[in-house]
Amino acid sequence: ILNVEQSPQSLHVQEGDSTNFTCSFPSSNFYALHWYRWETAKSPEALFVMTLNGDEKKKGRISATLNTKEGYSYLYIKGSQPEDSATYLCASVGLKGQTPLVFGKGTRLSVIA
Amino acid sequence: DVKVTQSSRYLVKRTGEKVFLECVQDMDHENMFWYRQDPGLGLRLIYFSYDVKMKEKGDIPEGYSVSREKKERFSLILESASTNQTSMYLCASTRWALGDYGYTFGSGTRLTVV
Repeated sequence: ILNVEQSPQSLHVQEGDSTNFTCSFPSSNFYALHWYRWETAKSPEALFVMTLNGDEKKKGRISATLNTKEGYSYLYIKGSQPEDSATYLCASVGLKGQTPLVFGKGTRLSVIA
Repeated sequence: DVKVTQSSRYLVKRTGEKVFLECVQDMDHENMFWYRQDPGLGLRLIYFSYDVKMKEKGDIPEGYSVSREKKERFSLILESASTNQTSMYLCASTRWALGDYGYTFGSGTRLTVV
């Protein structure tokens, strides 16, 4: 069974701070890694899908890196804003590729103005 | 704008009732999924479907069934609702079964069973 872990569980930062959180997954059973942002009362929204070791993706102030050899991904937010407050979910797909996403429990980010 | 629509945002049902949660997508996606989200447990997969009339059990299928008679619609059925099925239910879809593509989620149905 694929086990996806996220840390920290929750995080409070001041507006303007940069922050990052971690997603770990089994490196021996990896096909792809997804990041989603889930704002309260909205649908989870796909941020990034990464498959290659060393991949780095960016969307505005948010970026993500992937290390498939050691089984982790980092999500970075530069200059956090109150609108970044959300739960950030990562999810992994195992080697076969054709299996549903397995999600971590998420990191709840609160940005205080 | 692509969409996954869940029929109800909030639902309150009585223990023992048969409950239908509907999900419709307008993107011609083959693959559809039902997850539930509970505090401290994250998103857990209930059932999924890769094609019309096809269904596969996820990690927590007990107490649930599904129906996919048409490509765009994937229904989750609680045969006899129980209080431990009180949860947020999320439907999702994606075009390809391979994990290279992001999922599109509905806005969720918060079900309370009393």
